Amino acid sequence: QSALTQPRSVSGSPGQSVTISCTGTSSDVGAYNFVSWYQQHPGKAPKVTIYDVSKRPSGVPDRFSGSKSGNTASLTISGLQAEDEADYYCFSYAGSYTWVFGGGTKVTVL
Amino acid sequence: QVQLVESGGGVVQPGRSLRLSCAASRFSISNYAMHWVRQAPGKGLEWVAAMSYDGRNRDSAESLKGRFTISRDNSKNMMYLQMNSLRVEDTAVYYCAKSSGNYHGPLDYWGQGTLVTVSS
Repeated sequence: QSALTQPRSVSGSPGQSVTISCTGTSSDVGAYNFVSWYQQHPGKAPKVTIYDVSKRPSGVPDRFSGSKSGNTASLTISGLQAEDEADYYCFSYAGSYTWVFGGGTKVTVL
Repeated sequence: QVQLVESGGGVVQPGRSLRLSCAASRFSISNYAMHWVRQAPGKGLEWVAAMSYDGRNRDSAESLKGRFTISRDNSKNMMYLQMNSLRVEDTAVYYCAKSSGNYHGPLDYWGQGTLVTVSS
């Protein structure tokens, strides 16, 4: 159960798009469509932003989207806004009723 | 509104045990998988353990097996995390989280966390 690999940080100007990658293995990200993404603001509990690779919970803006190719999942934030500045974590089922998080990515809005 | 409230955190010496509790309200945990997730100070999220709605499926992170055990009492609508042989590196905020499904599903509700500090 090694942590999924995410870039430490990404940044963009308001209105731009940023994409965060989440690389796992054929035993986790590549094997299942149970990949979700969580947004965490400082001092707050995480909040689900994307689930089942590309589904968006109600209330989450449509500028958030998810995808997967092979062992890598991705979260894209289009039309970046100031309130999107936060830490983002991917989370994948890894079989045998175990799960694994990514190391987290800090999104900075310039 | 669904609510999860963790308790049982505090300062504990290395080698000692601690049991965390998670009280659920406005939903029945007997219908959902439940998870524990932790976050060391200044670090990322780490999955700790999970249990399916019926308790038949449960597991913990490989690095924690043998020390941490998840359990639930559906009659009390409570979930627990028994932590034994605690180490300094177990210092973290521990969150309980509800899954949207009974086996799988995203973690759609989280508690505010309880801080566990392991220190001599």
